[in-house]
Amino acid sequence: GQSLEQPSEVTAVEGAIVQINCTYQTSGFYGLSWYQQHDGGAPTFLSYNGLDGLEETGRFSSFLSRSDSYGYLLLQELQMKDSASYFCAVLSGGYNKLIFGAGTRLAVHP
Amino acid sequence: DTAVSQTPKYLVTQMGNDKSIKCEQNLGHDTMYWYKQDSKKFLKIMFSYNNKELIINETVPNRFSPKSPDKAHLNLHINSLELGDSAVYFCASSPPRGETQYFGPGTRLLVL
Repeated sequence: GQSLEQPSEVTAVEGAIVQINCTYQTSGFYGLSWYQQHDGGAPTFLSYNGLDGLEETGRFSSFLSRSDSYGYLLLQELQMKDSASYFCAVLSGGYNKLIFGAGTRLAVHP
Repeated sequence: DTAVSQTPKYLVTQMGNDKSIKCEQNLGHDTMYWYKQDSKKFLKIMFSYNNKELIINETVPNRFSPKSPDKAHLNLHINSLELGDSAVYFCASSPPRGETQYFGPGTRLLVL
């Protein structure tokens, strides 16, 4: 089967750093994407790792270890507007198929 | 300027009815998708089209039928709506590889 595991909820304070982990078990793996979704909004793309290592995009970084079937999203200098759900998603098999995790709800407090 | 648009934004209907949701993208992408997000926010792919051809067809009841009149449009028709169909339906599009998908604003379907 195919499964992705990520924590259901994370809480942090403004200005802090938070890491959201994702472990996966899928048949056929091309890479790991991260998406952000605010309540009532649409998922928006944050980051993609096709190779092992760290990708940095502003305050957000994402890491992948293929050998450990593990990745994480690192959010730095947290702001209130970062309160949202974060989804890891595996690009699996052919034909652009994204398999999403259940999402991690991040609450940022003052 | 809207990249991926969907209509309607909200849809409230009775069980047994038939309804359609329309999606259009102006990003020039060849690939479009339909996703269903349930009340627990679980996001699951339903269908994918590449240049008007169906390429992903997940385990979805055959009451759901996608149609792509051209590569910028992907519509979803649902027959004989059931209570369990209540969810948010997202359309998305992507360039060839698919790791970066652009989602529409969603259609919130409530079946009574």
